[in-house]
Formats: sequence, structure tokens, C-alpha cells
Amino acid sequence: AQSVTQLDSHVSVSEGTPVLLRCNYSSSYSPSLFWYVQHPNKGLQLLLKYTSAATLVKGINGFEAEFKKSETSFHLTKPSAHMSDAAEYFCVVSDPSYSSASKIIFGSGTRLSIRP
Amino acid sequence: KAGVTQTPRYLIKTRGQQVTLSCSPISGHRSVSWYQQTPGQGLQFLFEYFSETQRNKGNFPGRFSGRQFSNSRSEMNVSTLELGDSALYLCASSLTGGPVSSSYNEQFFGPGTRLTVL
Repeated sequence: AQSVTQLDSHVSVSEGTPVLLRCNYSSSYSPSLFWYVQHPNKGLQLLLKYTSAATLVKGINGFEAEFKKSETSFHLTKPSAHMSDAAEYFCVVSDPSYSSASKIIFGSGTRLSIRP
Repeated sequence: KAGVTQTPRYLIKTRGQQVTLSCSPISGHRSVSWYQQTPGQGLQFLFEYFSETQRNKGNFPGRFSGRQFSNSRSEMNVSTLELGDSALYLCASSLTGGPVSSSYNEQFFGPGTRLTVL
């Protein structure tokens, strides 16, 4: 079965400092990996996706993530945090090869707080 | 271009009742997916519809059902509501399919319907 683990439930950084949100996954096949952001009372917005092309993926708002197969990781980074980055972030693994119920798995989320 | 709209935004029901939630996708999008978000279970995939057919289904009981109309609008129904059904229900649309689809296009999410079961 597929699984995804977000290693930190809450991350707090100062504005202007780097952001690192960690995600490890488990999948038997060749998964696609995504990072979504959710602002309060809003739906999810896609930040970036990995679908077996370049291992370093650039997304919106200055975020990027690196797919490391040997470490089964897909950590999200940003060089300089902005106050508007405060939100909940979800790492997602999906693979259409799995049965319907297991095709897509969401991580438990990481709440990112930005200190002024 | 208008985004994904969900109605109603908030709903309060009592145990045993049934509820219908509505989702209007972005114009031209043919795939609609539904997700449940709760503090305890997090985000879980419910089902995906494409061209009026359920294409994928998550691991939820039969009390959860859905359908899609010819204009791609989708409804989700929950019968015999339980306290544990209290959640934010998110709808997402895409041109040909969300992450569960082999023909993936980016999904765009609506703001959700917050259902409270008393």
C-alpha cells in the first residue's frame, strides 16, 4: 500500500529565513508526488508536482521540492519565508496503478507559522 | 473564468438525516473529485466522476454516493448521517482527471462545504 508521512506537524520560522517541510513516502510503483497549500477556510491549491521528469521541481510562490528516490523523500523548500506563506501544507502521493481506494494518499499536514 | 463553486458553504444536520452537497466545476472541466477533510482522519479521497461516470472510488461506506450531470456539475449524497461525518467536504475539478487518473491534469479546488452533524 502507499503511504506518506509528513515528519513535522508544525514548523515555525522567521520571515526571510528558509523553509523546510519534510515528506517521506512509500509506494511500490512509480508514484506522482504533489505539494498542496491550504489557507484558512479555503480549498487546496497546487504548489508543485513531480511526475517522473526532472527530480528538482519548481512550483509557485518560490517553492521547490526535490524527489530523492533513494531516500523516498520529497521535501518542500523555500529560500526566504514570507508572512503570506503561513498556511497548512499537504504532501500527496498518487499512483493510478493501485486499487481505487489507495490511488491517492494525503499526508497529515504541516502547519507553517511565520514569525515577524 | 469562474472557479469551482460549492453549495452550500455551511450545513448543520442531525444524526440519521441525509444531505446533498453540490459542486459546479470550472467551465470545460469534465472531471470532478470529492474529498473529505476531518481533524482526525485528515484528507481522504471519496470518489471521482468523469463524463457522468464514477471512475474511481475511495474506501468509504455505501452511505456516501455521488453523481455527475451532463453539464459536469456533481452532487454528493450522504445518507443516515453519523456524528463522524462532520467534516469539510472539498470538491475539485480538472480537465481530464485528478491525481488518481492516468490522464492527469491539475485539479482546482473549491472552498468546501462544512458539514456539522449534531
